[in-house]
Amino acid sequence: GQQLNQSPQSMFIQEGEDVSMNCTSSSIFNTWLWYKQDPGEGPVLLIALYKAGELTSNGRLTAQFGITRKDSFLNISASIPSDVGIYFCAGQVQGETSGSRLTFGEGTQLTVNP
Amino acid sequence: DAGITQSPRYKITETGRQVTLMCHQTWSHSYMFWYRQDLGHGLRLIYYSAAADITDKGEVPDGYVVSRSKTENFPLTLESATRSQTSVYFCASKGSGGWGEQFFGPGTRLTVL
Repeated sequence: GQQLNQSPQSMFIQEGEDVSMNCTSSSIFNTWLWYKQDPGEGPVLLIALYKAGELTSNGRLTAQFGITRKDSFLNISASIPSDVGIYFCAGQVQGETSGSRLTFGEGTQLTVNP
Repeated sequence: DAGITQSPRYKITETGRQVTLMCHQTWSHSYMFWYRQDLGHGLRLIYYSAAADITDKGEVPDGYVVSRSKTENFPLTLESATRSQTSVYFCASKGSGGWGEQFFGPGTRLTVL
């Protein structure tokens, strides 16, 4: 099936540092989404991107839809302890007509040391 | 409460038993989805539904059955549970418009002994 390569798999950072993670695919995507999952909870939508080149911010989070439409990155600035969790990228493949299915990356586990 | 809810939140069962996980959403979203989450595999789609009485298989449908008689409910049934079905199960929903954003429930942690 379709694969999304998300990296890094895990990150250990100090509070206050900036974080960057990305997803790449061999297919063209119409939409890129970034989710965060806290322990014991479901994923929560952080940012949605709809156009190639689009750069969108949500507080300390910034995400971009790659020009080639095959990649996206998420940056977190000035990390804080509550940023801890798993971050997932997800995308809708161009031409996907079967029920708005999303393809998910395997997640980046973020640990922030106070 | 508004939103998407799942029940039970935790379930322990034995191999061979039938188990049904419930999902309910109050947004009147057309689409609903079931995923399982396992270490090393991320989120994998089990089944999805575009509307009441319309369902289709996802990536890992074997051993699961779904139904959708009402727009707001999308139960997932394991007809004869196996240990390999021990996982965390998430339900999600999406409106008929929009650009793909799915909204997730809190999950059900299922253990099959």
